[in-house]
Amino acid sequence: GENVEQHPSTLSVQEGDSAVIKCTYSDSASNYFPWYKQELGKRPQLIIDIRSNVGEKKDQRIAVTLNKTAKHFSLHITETQPEDSAVYFCAASGGGNKLVFGAGTILRVKS
Amino acid sequence: GAVVSQHPSWVICKSGTSVKIECRSLDFQATTMFWYRQFPKQSLMLMATSNEGSKATYEQGVEKDKFLINHASLTLSTLTVTSAHPEDSSFYICSASRDSVAYEQYFGPGTRLTVT
Repeated sequence: GENVEQHPSTLSVQEGDSAVIKCTYSDSASNYFPWYKQELGKRPQLIIDIRSNVGEKKDQRIAVTLNKTAKHFSLHITETQPEDSAVYFCAASGGGNKLVFGAGTILRVKS
Repeated sequence: GAVVSQHPSWVICKSGTSVKIECRSLDFQATTMFWYRQFPKQSLMLMATSNEGSKATYEQGVEKDKFLINHASLTLSTLTVTSAHPEDSSFYICSASRDSVAYEQYFGPGTRLTVT
């Protein structure tokens, strides 16, 4: 089955700097890669997603890149703000319409 | 659109009792619903996938007789934790998908279960 690895586990950046979180997946058949943001005690919220027929997708300060050959995808957040502090999860489609989640990255934006 | 609710948001129960958690899609029909468990500072672990009108598919290692899932309608799925024990204490989150092939999942707010 699909396996998703996510790095780093924690990331501290200064306000205004960029943050990059990387994920690798194992199943070459996976074709959907969402990113979720989860604040403490709350539900995961979809912030951006990408499908395998696209290499990059951008939405304001957030972008995701996908390298299907290398089986990795990354989340890029530019001009970070304190409200970006949260746990971020990557995921990959893993058979049927299931999602397999990475372990998560705690992002801390210091002001 | 695509709002999912969960009830209750938190529950405390005694060991040996059963607890039912409801997951509802409020503004769309959810052919497929998923149940996850999340331990503190950990990722979401898929417990089972349920399709309306059919039996749930459980992930390896999840006891189907302990975690009973019912998806009786296109807007409601329930998870019943039977004979709860302290180790069942966790954050349970459901999500819903519009159809069996759509990948987008919309998450409920979660239910914090504490078993004493």
